[in-house]
Amino acid sequence: AQKVTQAQTEISVVEKEDVTLDCVYETRDTTYYLFWYKQPPSGELVFLIRRNSFDEQNEISGRYSWNFQKSTSSFNFTITASQVVDSAVYVCALSGNSGGYQKVTFGIGTKLQVIP
Amino acid sequence: GAGVSQSPSNKVTEKGKDVELRCDPISGHTALYWYRQSLGQGLEFLIYFQGNSAPDKSGLPSDRFSAERTGGSVSTLTIQRTQQEDSAVYLCASSSGQLNTGELFFGEGSRLTVL
Repeated sequence: AQKVTQAQTEISVVEKEDVTLDCVYETRDTTYYLFWYKQPPSGELVFLIRRNSFDEQNEISGRYSWNFQKSTSSFNFTITASQVVDSAVYVCALSGNSGGYQKVTFGIGTKLQVIP
Repeated sequence: GAGVSQSPSNKVTEKGKDVELRCDPISGHTALYWYRQSLGQGLEFLIYFQGNSAPDKSGLPSDRFSAERTGGSVSTLTIQRTQQEDSAVYLCASSSGQLNTGELFFGEGSRLTVL
């Protein structure tokens, strides 16, 4: 069975602070993909990143960076110099080869509030 | 359309009534998913379609829930004899194929409230 745990339910930071959102996963699949989605107040989840289990290289995209560590089964997401527009729910997800990659398991999400 | 479209956006119904929720995926997307998001809970997988067939219905909570997809496009999720615990946001997503090469595109959801 797959499981995605986002232990932080809500985080508040002041604008321009850095913030890290944690994601820990469990899977028995040998190959899997990890995702982060952003869910703004409008409700529509927006894809941010996909990571293959064989690629542990960290990725940076502007103010966003992701740290994938297979040894700790974690895929953490850091926002540098946070802005009010970053306020949203961020959801971590996992899909594995045993389900043909079609069955995606989502975490409960972390609600980030950036205070001006 | 440009994105995944869901209707209605909001539905309030009385316990025991049937409801239908509609999803119009992105044109050309072969895979379609239904998820349920309850307050304080993560997205709960309900069913997945590849074309018109549903290889995985394992997430449907009870036999009151059913879904179909026609023409490889529009899908309808039907909940019969609604119960208060069915209250949630029902999200539809589509993708162009395997998620190892693609991503899920979500609609804005249908918020169902059962009184």
